[in-house]
Order: sequence, then C-alpha cells, then structure tokens
Amino acid sequence: SQTIHQWPATLVQPVGSPLSLECTVEGTSNPNLYWYRQAAGRGLQLLFYSVGIGQISSEVPQNLSASRPQDRQFILSSKKLLLSDSGFYLCAWRLLDRDGGLGTQYFGPGTRLLVL
Amino acid sequence: GQQLNQSPQSMFIQEGEDVSMNCTSSSIFNTWLWYKQDPGEGPVLLIALYKAGELTSNGRLTAQFGITRKDSFLNISASIPSDVGIYFCAGLSGYNKLIFGAGTRLAVHP
Repeated sequence: SQTIHQWPATLVQPVGSPLSLECTVEGTSNPNLYWYRQAAGRGLQLLFYSVGIGQISSEVPQNLSASRPQDRQFILSSKKLLLSDSGFYLCAWRLLDRDGGLGTQYFGPGTRLLVL
Repeated sequence: GQQLNQSPQSMFIQEGEDVSMNCTSSSIFNTWLWYKQDPGEGPVLLIALYKAGELTSNGRLTAQFGITRKDSFLNISASIPSDVGIYFCAGLSGYNKLIFGAGTRLAVHP
C-alpha cells in the first residue's frame, strides 16, 4: 500500500530564515505530487504540482519554490521566510490513472509552520 | 478562476441528527471528491464521484455527483461525536488540479 510522509511535523522559524520541507511517498512510482498551504481556519491553496522528476508547475507567485530531485521526493523551500508564510503545509500524491480513480489525491499528515 | 461554493460554513448539531452539505460551481467538473480533516491532520478522502448522477455511500455517508456536473452534496446520517471536523469538497479541474471548497465545520453535541 502507498504511504506519504512529511517532515518535520512542526517548525518555528524566524522571519528571513530559509525553509526546507520534505515530502516522500512510498509504494508507488511516478506519482503526481502536490504542495498545498492551509491558513488557519481556511481552505486549501494549491502552491505547486509536479508530474515528474525536475518538472514543477507553480500556481501562486510567492517567495516559495519547489523541487523534485527524486521520483518520490518533493521539497518545498524558501530563501527568506515572511510572516505570511505561516500555515499548515500539506503534501499530496495522486493515484495513477491506470489504477483507476482519476484525479483522486491523498494527503500527508502536514507540517505546521510558524514564522515569528 | 474556477471556484467552489461550499455551504454551510459551519453546523452545530445534536448527536443522532442527519447532516447535509453541498458544493456548487459555475464550472463543470468531471470528478468530485469529499474529504474530512481532523484538527492538525491532513484531509482524508471520504468519497470519490466520477460520473454525473452517481450516488455513492460509505457507511453513514452518502454523496452524489450532480447531473449538471456543477454540484455535489454529502449527507451524514445519525451523526456521532467523531464526525466532528472540517469537510471539504473538491472538483477536478483539467487533468491535474483539484479546486477545493472553503470547508464546512461540523460540531456534534452529545
């Protein structure tokens, strides 16, 4: 079965510091991977998605970036964090079409980021 | 851009009551998904709908894909305390992107 991991679970960072959040998926190959941000009490905002190694699509202009150095690894980064970057960051992977379930995405446990 | 209007924003009900929430859009979606999110955790998929008019159940949950492909509803029957959480609808836009509703916060009083 497939599992998705996010690291770290919680992070407190000062304004202006760098950021690196990691997401890894097990039990599948060549998944589509996604990064979402959820502000407190709000819905999910798609930040980036990737259909393969080195392929990144950005949905929202911001000071964040994403990379996919390996098939099942997705990283969210920033060179200098802003206060507005605080939130709950969720990674998701998509079930492959050949397995059915077109479009279904499965979420990781999330990383709670607080920028002070 | 595409948006989903999810209602109600919040619900406060007594244990044992039935619950109904819905999502509407001006755009057509080919897939509708319903997720539940517990505090501090990632959303968990409840029901996936792939065909217009499809009615699918998962235990006490029932969801339908509207015939116009612009709406979906989720019903929860005989609510219990563990049903507390935020429920999100999501529609598949194009090949890769899910558009999420703002969520319905459900509180269940014993």
